[in-house]
This record gives sequence, C-alpha cells and structure tokens, in this order.
Amino acid sequence: EAQVTQNPRYLITVTGKKLTVTCSQNMNHEYMSWYRQDPGLGLRQIYYSMNVEVTDKGDVPEGYKVSRKEKRNFPLILESPSPNQTSLYFCASRRTHGLETQYFGPGTRLLVL
Amino acid sequence: EDQVTQSPEALRLQEGESSSLNCSYTVSGLRGLFWYRQDPGKGPEFLFTLYSAGEEKEKERLKATLTKKESFLHITAPKPEDSATYLCAVQESGAAGNKLTFGGGTRVLVKP
Repeated sequence: EAQVTQNPRYLITVTGKKLTVTCSQNMNHEYMSWYRQDPGLGLRQIYYSMNVEVTDKGDVPEGYKVSRKEKRNFPLILESPSPNQTSLYFCASRRTHGLETQYFGPGTRLLVL
Repeated sequence: EDQVTQSPEALRLQEGESSSLNCSYTVSGLRGLFWYRQDPGKGPEFLFTLYSAGEEKEKERLKATLTKKESFLHITAPKPEDSATYLCAVQESGAAGNKLTFGGGTRVLVKP
C-alpha cells in the first residue's frame, strides 16, 4: 500500500530535550516536506527536500533541522524543543515534476512542557 | 505574498442540505489549486486538482470549480460522513520548491 508513515504519533517531552520525528514513504517520491498545523494558522511548511541531499527552508524553519540521506526518509529534528513548538506535525511526499498530488502522513502530535 | 482565504470557517448542515465552500486566493500566477479533506486526528487526503479558470471536477457529492480569483467546493445533498475539515491550497508558478500555500480550512458538520 502506498503510504507516508510517521513515528511517533504522539510525543510528550520537556523543554530542551532533543527529539527526532521520523518520516518514511514507499512511493519513490523525490519531494518530501514537513508542515506544522496550528489552530487559526493552518498548515505551514517547515522544510522541504527536492531530492536526496537537497533540503531548503519553508516558511517557519526556526528551531528545526532536517536531513535527506535516503530517498525514502526525511526525519525532522528538534535540537532544543520549546513550548511554542507544541503542534501537530505532518510529513508529505510527491513526485517533483508537474502538478503531482501530495500525500500526507497521519501526523505527529507533539507537546513540549 | 501569496494568500489563501477560506470561508466560512465553520459550516453546520442538515443531511441533504447542499452548500458551497469558498477559497479565494491572490498569487501572481496560479499553477494549480488543490482541495483536501482532513478528518480529526488524520492527515489531509487529496480530493481534486484544478489548473485553469473554468475547470470543474466532481467526486461523488463533491464538485470543485475554479475562477481566476477563487474556487468553490460544492457539497450536494451531504451525508454525515461528509463531515470533515476541507482545505484549499494553491501552488504559484515559479514558487520555490513548488510550494503549496494552504488556507485555514472550513470545518463542515453534517447532522442526520
């Protein structure tokens, strides 16, 4: 089954404790992206990657890091999480070229205390 | 700056009561407009892509239309299972990374 998976689905942590949210897709998509979704602000892009070893900032990159060492994986790293990073996070993927459909993962709900 | 505005924010319908959701956008050149459905606690699920003014697409009780400044998602004779948040997103020509800009969504509740 074609899908985007994320882990963990739920995470409670404390300020400053480094964490990684994994994202994996099995559709051989070149493009992957991370979004956060907050009430009243909608979905905002954090980082995206056009292909392996190619990443770039989205609209709200501060406090986040990403890496793209393999085509299927695109982890989101919070080196020193803060309470304002409490949010619902989505990973997405699609083919790079043309107006391709973007597929979303199930989401990771993060609470930073 | 790209802007995508959806209205209304929330919509309560009786089963069978048709209605329309609006997505207005301002971009310098539209490459495509996307509609997604999002159920609580889940990721957005793709519904439609519209490319040019005048285009229409249908899927079951949903029909999406596009003009030069806005898109409408028409829900005909809705059922309770159509309850969800509907998201609109635009992709601007030449946007860095072919970025999608999302609207805030419309929460639809269909009561039996």
